[in-house]
Amino acid sequence: KQEVTQIPAALSVPEGENLVLNCSFTDSAIYNLQWFRQDPGKGLTSLLLIQSSQREQTSGRLNASLDKSSGRSTLYIAASQPGDSATYLCAGGTSYGKLTFGQGTILTVHP
Amino acid sequence: GAGVSQSPSNKVTEKGKDVELRCDPISGHTALYWYRQSLGQGLEFLIYFQGNSAPDKSGLPSDRFSAERTGGSVSTLTIQRTQQEDSAVYLCASSSRAARGLAGPPSTDTQYFGPGTRLTVL
Repeated sequence: KQEVTQIPAALSVPEGENLVLNCSFTDSAIYNLQWFRQDPGKGLTSLLLIQSSQREQTSGRLNASLDKSSGRSTLYIAASQPGDSATYLCAGGTSYGKLTFGQGTILTVHP
Repeated sequence: GAGVSQSPSNKVTEKGKDVELRCDPISGHTALYWYRQSLGQGLEFLIYFQGNSAPDKSGLPSDRFSAERTGGSVSTLTIQRTQQEDSAVYLCASSSRAARGLAGPPSTDTQYFGPGTRLTVL
């Protein structure tokens, strides 16, 4: 059974700082690894999806990496902004899309 | 285009009553997923539909929970005889992911989530 853990549970940083969110998973046979953002009272927004054959994906100021052998993924956010404040969730996906989520990291970027 | 929609956005019910939650996926998306988000358990998978069939319903917590999908589109999650522990936000997602074992471009794996239905059982 896949288990996903995210560290830290919460993070508060000043605007402009680069930061890293960590995700670990127990089953290396994941099909893909996805990072989502959730704003209070809203659904999830997909940020990045890394296929199991890939090592990283980039979108704007976001970069996600995947190391299947160690069961780890990281989300790197460059030059953080107050608008980045949200809960960030990582999820391991099966071949048909079933996602197993971590508990999330609550990010606060203060001006 | 329109995203995934869910209704109602909020539902308050009394213990023992039945409730129905609705999900309208993105048009043309063949895969549909239900998840539940609660304070103690985080986000949990409930059931997966491919078209109108549900190959994986392993996440449904009890036989009080059921779901159906008609016309390869709208899905309804029904909870019978609701209990207080059923209180949570129920999220629906859809993707254009093909059936298991069929290759498709990675973009089809992206799941698009609805805003959720917040269920409160008194």
